[in-house]
Amino acid sequence: QQQVKQSPQSLIVQKGGISIINCAYENTAFDYFPWYQQFPGKGPALLIAIRPDVSEKKEGRFTISFNKSAKQFSLHIMDSQPGDSATYFCAANRGGKLQFGAGTQVVVTP
Amino acid sequence: NAGVMQNPRHLVRRRGQEARLRCSPMKGHSHVYWYRQLPEEGLKFMVYLQKENIIDESGMPKERFSAEFPKEGPSILRIQQVVRGDSAAYFCASSLAGGPDLATQYFGPGTRLLVL
Repeated sequence: QQQVKQSPQSLIVQKGGISIINCAYENTAFDYFPWYQQFPGKGPALLIAIRPDVSEKKEGRFTISFNKSAKQFSLHIMDSQPGDSATYFCAANRGGKLQFGAGTQVVVTP
Repeated sequence: NAGVMQNPRHLVRRRGQEARLRCSPMKGHSHVYWYRQLPEEGLKFMVYLQKENIIDESGMPKERFSAEFPKEGPSILRIQQVVRGDSAAYFCASSLAGGPDLATQYFGPGTRLLVL
């Protein structure tokens, strides 16, 4: 069964808008939650990550919000740009084993 | 400041042949992970290795697949007697350590395996 559920599957946002991607997990043993960005034909690139004792983390235009009690976390991309068009994956770590969400394909229109 | 290196980047094999995928971790990293990505799907964990040790191989198929990370040289993912269903992108990642604070995994560009 999928241990990390990600939504939406795809997202279209206008340039300058906010992209929001949500993830939910079941296993409370997960101890680290990274987000990766992947362009076609490339490897995933780490964007930002958070630990469960932190409720929010911001790096540039990217913000993770983390709700431990609800076992949910989300990625907000502010001021979305066409260069942000990519597939985004959330993940959860336990013992070095990353469980990935199914991915969200984001398209930013000019 | 090289990142994770993988080779070959593309590999074509006929059914029944062997595929060997190589991964050199980032400098100073002693933990290596292999993931598989099927078309239009997310990444699936396969195996976690340290130098000369397999830490977690719970995601590895029971047959035909093996992995090693020797004391010297790159990590190798080996697939024997490949079948069409093995066609996928195989990604290697490395990290400094296995604990949550240092567990950030950096991915290589992947090897795209096509089985004819």
